[in-house]
Amino acid sequence: DTEVTQTPKHLVMGMTNKKSLKCEQHMGHRAMYWYKQKAKKPPELMFVYSYEKLSINESVPSRFSPECPNSSLLNLHLHALQPEDSALYLCASSQGPTLEQYFGPGTRLTVT
Amino acid sequence: SQQGEEDPQALSIQEGENATMNCSYKTSINNLQWYRQNSGRGLVHLILIRSNEREKHSGRLRVTLDTSKKSSSLLITASRAADTASYFCATDWLETSGSRLTFGEGTQLTVNP
Repeated sequence: DTEVTQTPKHLVMGMTNKKSLKCEQHMGHRAMYWYKQKAKKPPELMFVYSYEKLSINESVPSRFSPECPNSSLLNLHLHALQPEDSALYLCASSQGPTLEQYFGPGTRLTVT
Repeated sequence: SQQGEEDPQALSIQEGENATMNCSYKTSINNLQWYRQNSGRGLVHLILIRSNEREKHSGRLRVTLDTSKKSSSLLITASRAADTASYFCATDWLETSGSRLTFGEGTQLTVNP
């Protein structure tokens, strides 16, 4: 199984809401990532988990809170977001940080 | 920043033609990767070329790497309408806190039937 799944596919939330994005992989990968992508731009790295521990936080605002409950799951908890946070949020996994990454289909987030 | 720069930003060709996209980067790398992204979807890994390799093939894809010029090119031969997508190069760099991929700005390829 070489698939990374993400839920939900679309999410609309108000600035006072709390929501979570979920990501799952069953490839035994030990590195998992969250990226943010704006239209017509490349993905921007947000967080890296290596062996279930947060190894990289790219100075992401605290309104984004990642969590890695186990080696297959990655969550991104969202709270008090701003309209400029509207974007495609991509999850990815890999055997190692600089090896080929497998991406999920993304969650299209709209903050109203 | 070690972010790759790609050119052209957009490329429009006819089916059957070849498409060439270029990527330049700023510092030494361990490897360089190419990804494809269909509109609004996740990225798909195409090919990884290591810094000690000069050329790599995968089906209709050919990637070259010139570490002296800090550049790479992706050639898609005999293009098809289904090749229409954005193509990104990604390079790795090492920091004390770990390693990560940094993506270039991408090339939007349109293959007209």
